[in-house]
Amino acid sequence: DGGITQSPKYLFRKEGQNVTLSCEQNLNHDAMYWYRQDPGQGLRLIYYSQIVNDFQKGDIAEGYSVSREKKESFPLTVTSAQKNPTAFYLCASRHTGLPVGELFFGEGSRLTVL
Amino acid sequence: GQQLNQSPQSMFIQEGEDVSMNCTSSSIFNTWLWYKQEPGEGPVLLIALYKAGELTSNGRLTAQFGITRKDSFLNISASIPSDVGIYFCAGLALNAGNMLTFGGGTRLMVKP
Repeated sequence: DGGITQSPKYLFRKEGQNVTLSCEQNLNHDAMYWYRQDPGQGLRLIYYSQIVNDFQKGDIAEGYSVSREKKESFPLTVTSAQKNPTAFYLCASRHTGLPVGELFFGEGSRLTVL
Repeated sequence: GQQLNQSPQSMFIQEGEDVSMNCTSSSIFNTWLWYKQEPGEGPVLLIALYKAGELTSNGRLTAQFGITRKDSFLNISASIPSDVGIYFCAGLALNAGNMLTFGGGTRLMVKP
């Protein structure tokens, strides 16, 4: 079945460590997104990519990095520079020919910094 | 950036009751969307609204695009236990390119 796969679902990290969250989609979507979700807050955009080898910063990109070497994959690295990394991270994708709201989300990755 | 104020933040209702929630903004939006997120899952699109005044239904769900283009409403009729989750509004502002702004969510709990 087509969809978006995020891994790992749960991740624990010590302070000072970088971690990479995986996002893979087999929907043949052009655009991919990373959002951060904190309790009681809406989803905030970290990075997005509309085409391979190109990506743009979202509203809260500081402390994060991404790459888009393949259409199917958009990994997110949470670096030690991110001051408050504990959160639920959601990856999404869409076909650029569809209305902007037609986002398909993965199941999320919950990162906890110890 | 843009902000969406979603209310209420949470609701605890009896099965069978109707539910209303809304999103407001000081900015004009040209698209309003409503998503539902179940525990441990990503949000799923419920309803999309593209014209001011538009009223759209999806089963027991009805959403409206406010005439002022600064608000939107979601109603759920005759709630059932599987309606439990977090409901998010999202909007696309006029000068936001294709970047959505999300509300803070309404957590709905339904007592059987």
